Amino acid sequence: ETGVTQTPRHLVMGMTNKKSLKCEQHLGHNAMYWYKQSAKKPLELMFVYSLEERVENNSVPSRFSPECPNSSHLFLHLHTLQPEDSALYLCASSQDGGHYTGELFFGEGSRLTVL
Amino acid sequence: KNEVEQSPQNLTAQEGEFITINCSYSVGISALHWLQQHPGGGIVSLFMLSSGKKKHGRLIATINIQEKHSSLHITASHPRDSAVYICASTSYDKVIFGPGTSLSVIP
Repeated sequence: ETGVTQTPRHLVMGMTNKKSLKCEQHLGHNAMYWYKQSAKKPLELMFVYSLEERVENNSVPSRFSPECPNSSHLFLHLHTLQPEDSALYLCASSQDGGHYTGELFFGEGSRLTVL
Repeated sequence: KNEVEQSPQNLTAQEGEFITINCSYSVGISALHWLQQHPGGGIVSLFMLSSGKKKHGRLIATINIQEKHSSLHITASHPRDSAVYICASTSYDKVIFGPGTSLSVIP
């Protein structure tokens, strides 16, 4: 069982669809993160959850809605996305309460294409 | 504003060569991460360091806090080392990723 698991690995959706990305960590960590990686751009932090509470939101559009029901699961709900939202979405976890002092463990990523 | 820069942007090496990737940052940090991203997209954490030097197998990471500079070295490079190497600086309240260095090791 891998440390951080993301599903689905690939997702194609229309601009009017509603879909969700799922992340699950089996490491007992207390912080989880969503990152976006667009083509030819550095990783961008989207959301940070520490102990199931959102501690940071880097001015992400409201069409991205995170949910953290417990310390092991993190979702990213997607609705009315734009083609420029097509990217690789990476989930990570760490044991540092969301303050970036611990080692980051990443999932394999979910490749999203918005048509 | 903290910025993280990497050099080179792209690197092609022959199998067996010694490789160095550099990372510089502009403000004080609590730690520096080196990450490896394979073509499929998955990212693996290689090192997290705040001072000195760490070694894991053929990989060595060093950091000079005074010069705000870190290097990742790969000894006896192998085609399976082909990947994008990303450095990231972390402080108490944020993490900043570098643009990545794309490494290709040719047999």
